[in-house]
Amino acid sequence: DQQVKQNSPSLSVQEGRISILNCDYTNSMFDYFLWYKKYPAEGPTFLISISSIKDKNEDGRFTVFLNKSAKHLSLHIVPSQPGDSAVYFCAASGAQHRTNAGGTSYGKLTFGQGTILTVHP
Amino acid sequence: DSGVTQTPKHLITATGQRVTLRCSPRSGDLSVYWYQQSLDQGLQFLIHYYNGEERAKGNILERFSAQQFPDLHSELNLSSLELGDSALYFCASSVLQVGTGELFFGEGSRLTVL
Repeated sequence: DQQVKQNSPSLSVQEGRISILNCDYTNSMFDYFLWYKKYPAEGPTFLISISSIKDKNEDGRFTVFLNKSAKHLSLHIVPSQPGDSAVYFCAASGAQHRTNAGGTSYGKLTFGQGTILTVHP
Repeated sequence: DSGVTQTPKHLITATGQRVTLRCSPRSGDLSVYWYQQSLDQGLQFLIHYYNGEERAKGNILERFSAQQFPDLHSELNLSSLELGDSALYFCASSVLQVGTGELFFGEGSRLTVL
């Protein structure tokens, strides 16, 4: 049961244009969403996050939009740069999802499969 | 450089064997998480330790176990290895158990089971 889905395995964009990466989720208990970026031979790096009480969060060239009714979030990168070429993972966390017998774990994330972004010069 | 160190970076072993993956978290981080990334899959949460205690468990196989030591480094033990255990194993750390979910990942340990 894939609770977080990134339906586009890859995306190719021209430098300077907008990159839009999409993510869908099924678990309505998710209340916090994150995007991570991963370069080859490196671990994922945190990029941006959004709480379910917001519908938009912006950080420089990166903006994440959340549509709770559609259970959909997207990451916009404007303008795209060749250095943005990487695998992008969306991830989700929820209060109930986080709780185990041992307590609360905010690092217990559910990840999508990732989207390979290629930005061409 | 995230500050999280994982060893070994690559490991090739045979079915039925046992391996230990090691993780040193960022200085000051009390939480250590283990994730598994199989081919073409997203990262799957395995287990979370906070200051030496297990805090959360994902779909971790019974053949796998982990611990966090007093110096906060962690080890993931994988035994009776099967071909399907071949994957990238990531360790991540964070300061607190309660936080925003932002994790700092190591470069991963690539395990190949032949």
